[in-house]
Amino acid sequence: GQNIDQPTEMTATEGAIVQINCTYQTSGFNGLFWYQQHAGEAPTFLSYNVLDGLEEKGRFSSFLSRSKGYSYLLLKELQMKDSASYLCAVRPPTGGGNKLTFGTGTQLKVEL
Amino acid sequence: GAVVSQHPSRVICKSGTSVKIECRSLDFQATTMFWYRQFPKQSLMLMATSNEGSKATYEQGVEKDKFLINHASLTLSTLTVTSAHPEDSSFYICSARDPGGGNNIQYFGAGTRLSVL
Repeated sequence: GQNIDQPTEMTATEGAIVQINCTYQTSGFNGLFWYQQHAGEAPTFLSYNVLDGLEEKGRFSSFLSRSKGYSYLLLKELQMKDSASYLCAVRPPTGGGNKLTFGTGTQLKVEL
Repeated sequence: GAVVSQHPSRVICKSGTSVKIECRSLDFQATTMFWYRQFPKQSLMLMATSNEGSKATYEQGVEKDKFLINHASLTLSTLTVTSAHPEDSSFYICSARDPGGGNNIQYFGAGTRLSVL
């Protein structure tokens, strides 16, 4: 089965740093994705990790530990426009059809 | 990132009518597309995997005769909600898998908000 856990909500201050955690227990693993979704819009791709370690892309970084079934998304220099839902998604091993299983998402609110 | 176009963005229809939603990959060929459904403040639930040139693969609990999927070309998949009822009102989102780059990243369309009266 697939089980992905994320905090439901988080609040942070503009200009600060926030870390959104994701833990997963899945039957097989072939990559973890982070997407950003603003209300009423479709998700946009942020990052992809398949090997352990940190992937950095501008203000956004994502970390993966496969042995711990754990990932986090780090957002630096927060801006008001970063207020959105952040979705963690896991892909099964090759042959699983490239389907993604999504977590419930973390609603981030950035305040002044 | 790659571009996926979804149309229409919003549909309001009467109960009993059918609604067709189109999903196009604009700058890559997608042998595989996915259809999701999302209720307010909930995550994406995969409905089916659309395979170019073959039958779609439906997730457990999704009625294939209710949600018809056609993937007739490498850039177009359609979802038809047949005989729509108010309980079918939802946000429907498609995605397309970009085989280029090696990571098979899924890129999403803008979504279709369906309201059945």
